[in-house]
Amino acid sequence: KAGVTQTPRYLIKTRGQQVTLSCSPISGHRSVSWYQQTPGQGLQFLFEYFSETQRNKGNFPGRFSGRQFSNSRSEMNVSTLELGDSALYLCASGTDFNYGYTFGSGTRLTVV
Amino acid sequence: QQQVKQSPQSLIVQKGGISIINCAYENTAFDYFPWYQQFPGKGPALLIAIRPDVSEKKEGRFTISFNKSAKQFSLHIMDSQPGDSATYFCAGNAGGTSYGKLTFGQGTILTVHP
Repeated sequence: KAGVTQTPRYLIKTRGQQVTLSCSPISGHRSVSWYQQTPGQGLQFLFEYFSETQRNKGNFPGRFSGRQFSNSRSEMNVSTLELGDSALYLCASGTDFNYGYTFGSGTRLTVV
Repeated sequence: QQQVKQSPQSLIVQKGGISIINCAYENTAFDYFPWYQQFPGKGPALLIAIRPDVSEKKEGRFTISFNKSAKQFSLHIMDSQPGDSATYFCAGNAGGTSYGKLTFGQGTILTVHP
C-alpha cells in the first residue's frame, strides 16, 4: 500500500514569489491535513480538507491556502513568500472520522 | 491557542536505560493522544496512542501513562536502543470534525548512547 506522497521534496524560492506544493494521500483516505514544521515553532497545523472542503483551519495568514481535488489529492499554495516561510511542509492523510493520520516525508521549502 | 507542553527538550540515555518524556495539555476536548517518532529527513510516524478512558497502554517497549485529572501523559521507552534515537512528539486531538487537526508538543530529541 503506497504511503502519503509529497512533491517536490525540495524547493528553493525567492522572496515575493509564490509556491504550490502537492500531496497525494493514501488510497481511500479522504482527509488531508497540512502542517508547517520549523525549529522554532515546531509542528503547526495549517488546514485540513475533507471531501474537497476545508474543514479546519489553523492560525496562519491568508497567504497560505489550499485545495483538494475530487481524487483527494491536495495542494497548498503560499503567495508572496517571506523568509520566515522557510520550513518543512508536511501533509497527512486519514480516513473518515478516525484517528491515526499518516504523514508524508514533507517538502523542504527554502526562501532566499 | 490550546497548547500541549512537552518536556524535556532533549534527553540523553544509555543503551538499556529508560527514556521518559512528559506532556501536559489544556484542551479538555482532546480525546486522543498519540505519540509520533520522527527521524531526520522523514515525516512523523505514529508510534503509539491512547484514549482517556484508560490509564496505561503498552506496545512492546513503549508505554503511555495517562492521568486525566492532571491532564498529563507520558511516554516510557524501556530498554532504550540506539535505533530509538529520534525526535518524539506528543499530540492531542479532539475528534469529531477535528480528526485531521493535531495539536503537537514542541518535541523531544532523544539520543541513546551505545
